Amino acid sequence: DTAVSQTPKYLVTQMGNDKSIKCEQNLGHDTMYWYKQDSKKFLKIMFSYNNKELIINETVPNRFSPKSPDKAHLNLHINSLELGDSAVYFCASSQVFSSGSNEQFFGPGTRLTVL
Amino acid sequence: DAKTTQPTSMDCAEGRAANLPCNHSTISGNEYVYWYRQIHSQGPQYIIHGLKNNETNEMASLIITEDRKSSTLILPHATLRDTAVYYCIVSASSNDYKLSFGAGTTVTVRA
Repeated sequence: DTAVSQTPKYLVTQMGNDKSIKCEQNLGHDTMYWYKQDSKKFLKIMFSYNNKELIINETVPNRFSPKSPDKAHLNLHINSLELGDSAVYFCASSQVFSSGSNEQFFGPGTRLTVL
Repeated sequence: DAKTTQPTSMDCAEGRAANLPCNHSTISGNEYVYWYRQIHSQGPQYIIHGLKNNETNEMASLIITEDRKSSTLILPHATLRDTAVYYCIVSASSNDYKLSFGAGTTVTVRA
């Protein structure tokens, strides 16, 4: 069973379109994340949700809107896609313990190409 | 911003131990040291983490210096499948939940 799954794996679309990426985790974790890895391979946090509540919102354009319908799902909707949005997007989840430990499990990634 | 310093790359012979260093001289008392790796085109994979004590699991060992300003990840018997980018990260979920990835160390295991 896949612990953290993302769909689609590949997404090719035109500039200006609106698209969504879905993420699901079956680990029972209470926290989920979206990361972006650009062409230079740097991984950067975009958003984090804890128990369906937004807790991290880095300086991401408001064209990006995360939605968490329940603890097991965190979807990413992107409006008016731009060339610079081309990247690999990774979803992750974790169970944050009172000790402070935060081991994150990552999905396989969604490669978004904007033409 | 990454708070760690790692070598850009290193080679390792298959079957030998790979020792990956990491400096984190500004680490705070409540920050853990995490190690992740990313094999080409895959999502990052958790390896190990520690606070003060040395840790070992089925994948690797983590040695943290007494002053906690540096650590070493040890892959005891490197295989070709261990070729990946290895990231050393310091993070405290009491401050925030995010992991700040730097450039990491590109480890190439050679036959």
